[in-house]
Amino acid sequence: EVQLVESGGGLVRPGMSLRLSCAASGFTFRSYEMNWVRQAPGKGLEWISKISGSGSSIYYADSVKGRFTISRDNAKQSLYLQMNNLRAEDTAVYYCAGERGVRRDFEFWGRGTLVTVSS
Amino acid sequence: SFELTQPPSVSVSPGQTANITCSGEKLGDTYASWYQQKPGQSPLLVIYQDSRRPSGIPERFSGSNSGNTATLTISGTQTMDEADYYCQAWDSTTLYVFGPGTRVTVL
Repeated sequence: EVQLVESGGGLVRPGMSLRLSCAASGFTFRSYEMNWVRQAPGKGLEWISKISGSGSSIYYADSVKGRFTISRDNAKQSLYLQMNNLRAEDTAVYYCAGERGVRRDFEFWGRGTLVTVSS
Repeated sequence: SFELTQPPSVSVSPGQTANITCSGEKLGDTYASWYQQKPGQSPLLVIYQDSRRPSGIPERFSGSNSGNTATLTISGTQTMDEADYYCQAWDSTTLYVFGPGTRVTVL
């Protein structure tokens, strides 16, 4: 059974940092491109970052470019998101999502972890 | 930047057909995907590559995409289909784009 479990969310003050993790199981992790998608409270979905299976290609949405860093450890079957200089508008549930090959859709999702940025 | 639009809400009676549209410039030139999200749950892929259903998704879900509009059709809608539905497409500049979502109410 495919499983993605996010962790690392919490309450932080503006300007602070947080590191999210996503533990994967039930599929060949290295064969999948992995993404982070977030959803602000009561709002829609926003894609924020993607990393290729090997980790060699990385992409960011303009809203997080320069502040967030995506990475992965295929040996540990884990995905990460380092978030620096957090802002109130970064408050959201953060989901990790798997993408098979070049299909350009999100085949499966974790349950998400809530990040709240507030003073 | 590439943008997608959806109607905020669609209402449908049980057993009837719900059509949810997603519009974007030349959307038909790329693949559209659809996600179902129920309250408190993570999104679930219900249609990918315009019209393909992932394993486990009921046949009552179908999709099409042509011109500037993609459509998700739920035939014989059931109360369990009540949810928010998001379309998503890929653009070479913006990369992954989601529509604002459509709340489907079954009543």
